[in-house]
Amino acid sequence: AQKITQTQPGMFVQEKEAVTLDCTYDTSDPSYGLFWYKQPSSGEMIFLIYQGSYDQQNATEGRYSLNFQKARKSANLVISASQLGDSAMYFCAMRGESTGRRALTFGSGTRLQVQP
Amino acid sequence: DTGVSQNPRHKITKRGQNVTFRCDPISEHNRLYWYRQTLGQGPEFLTYFQNEAQLEKSRLLSDRFSAERPKGSFSTLEIQRTEQGDSAMYLCASSLVGESSYNEQFFGPGTRLTVL
Repeated sequence: AQKITQTQPGMFVQEKEAVTLDCTYDTSDPSYGLFWYKQPSSGEMIFLIYQGSYDQQNATEGRYSLNFQKARKSANLVISASQLGDSAMYFCAMRGESTGRRALTFGSGTRLQVQP
Repeated sequence: DTGVSQNPRHKITKRGQNVTFRCDPISEHNRLYWYRQTLGQGPEFLTYFQNEAQLEKSRLLSDRFSAERPKGSFSTLEIQRTEQGDSAMYLCASSLVGESSYNEQFFGPGTRLTVL
């Protein structure tokens, strides 16, 4: 079984500052992938960044970076230089790679509000 | 627009009625997924297809739910004898095996179902 825990229901950040969104996970699969998605009020899930469990380096994608700490089973998303358009729900998700299952398991999300 | 499209975007129905949703994936994407998202929660996996074959179904997919992807292109999700607990956003996603090393899923805008 897989489980994603996002303990921050809501976060505020000032425009141009950095923010960290927490994500912890639990799985028995030795090989897995971790994803972050953004969901604006329009409802569409937008893929942000991916981290494989065997990747040696933390993933980065523009202003997004993933702070991956495998021993602690955490995969926190860091957004640098926040913009007003970053206000949205953010979901952490994982997929086990060993079993061949393709389904993503999502956390309950964090609502980020960027203040001017 | 070459993204995932879903129709209708909104559906209001009375309890006991049948409803059908359609998803058109990104052209040439061979995998298609259905998720359900209730208010304040992350998406929950329902089922997925590779081409026309339905390869995985969640326990959430009761016998009132049926999904098809007859020609490996668009997919339909039907809910029979709707119940108020079926009220949710139904999200469709697609991916292409081998497109990237992590095969991220691209989501559509969703169909919001309200059962009165």
